[in-house]
Amino acid sequence: EAQVTQNPRYLITVTGKKLTVTCSQNMNHEYMSWYRQDPGLGLRQIYYSMNVEVTDKGDVPEGYKVSRKEKRNFPLILESPSPNQTSLYFCASSGPTGGSREQFFGPGTRLTVL
Amino acid sequence: QKEVEQDPGPLSVPEGAIVSLNCTYSNSAFQYFMWYRQYSRKGPELLMYTYSSGNKEDGRFTAQVDKSSKYISLFIRDSQPSDSATYLCAMKTGGTSYGKLTFGQGTILTVHP
Repeated sequence: EAQVTQNPRYLITVTGKKLTVTCSQNMNHEYMSWYRQDPGLGLRQIYYSMNVEVTDKGDVPEGYKVSRKEKRNFPLILESPSPNQTSLYFCASSGPTGGSREQFFGPGTRLTVL
Repeated sequence: QKEVEQDPGPLSVPEGAIVSLNCTYSNSAFQYFMWYRQYSRKGPELLMYTYSSGNKEDGRFTAQVDKSSKYISLFIRDSQPSDSATYLCAMKTGGTSYGKLTFGQGTILTVHP
């Protein structure tokens, strides 16, 4: 089954404690990205990656890091989380493989920073 | 001004009604237009995908794109309670058919029996 998985699904942490949210896809997609979703603001892109070792900033990259060492994985790193990073995070992947234009989204990670 | 504007609603309609959801945008470079449906506590899933202007129909759903007016619409005919969800419009500039999406704020739709 084609899917994007994220872990953890729920996380409560404290300000300044480094955390990583993992994202993995099994569709051999080149393109992966991270979004955050906040009420009234919709989904906003944080970072994206066009392929292994190729990453770039989206619209709201401040306070986040990413890496793309393998095609299937694209972890999101918060080195020093702050309360304004409390949000719902989605990982997504897409690519021309098989002619698919669809961007597949993971189930989401709800992060609370106290 | 946001690149993509979408009325957040909420929108409440009776079962069987025709629903019209709309987005306006300011970036004339957008060429790919999508509608996603998001159920509570789930990730968005693609409903409709349109390249450039025109109409596209899929069952009860019709997507319209008017690039001259920078306006896109999603119509849902014979709406069902199972259509209750948040609907997000999304757009992408040209180049490749995949890549960065710019989303509207989402419209919350409730279809009551």
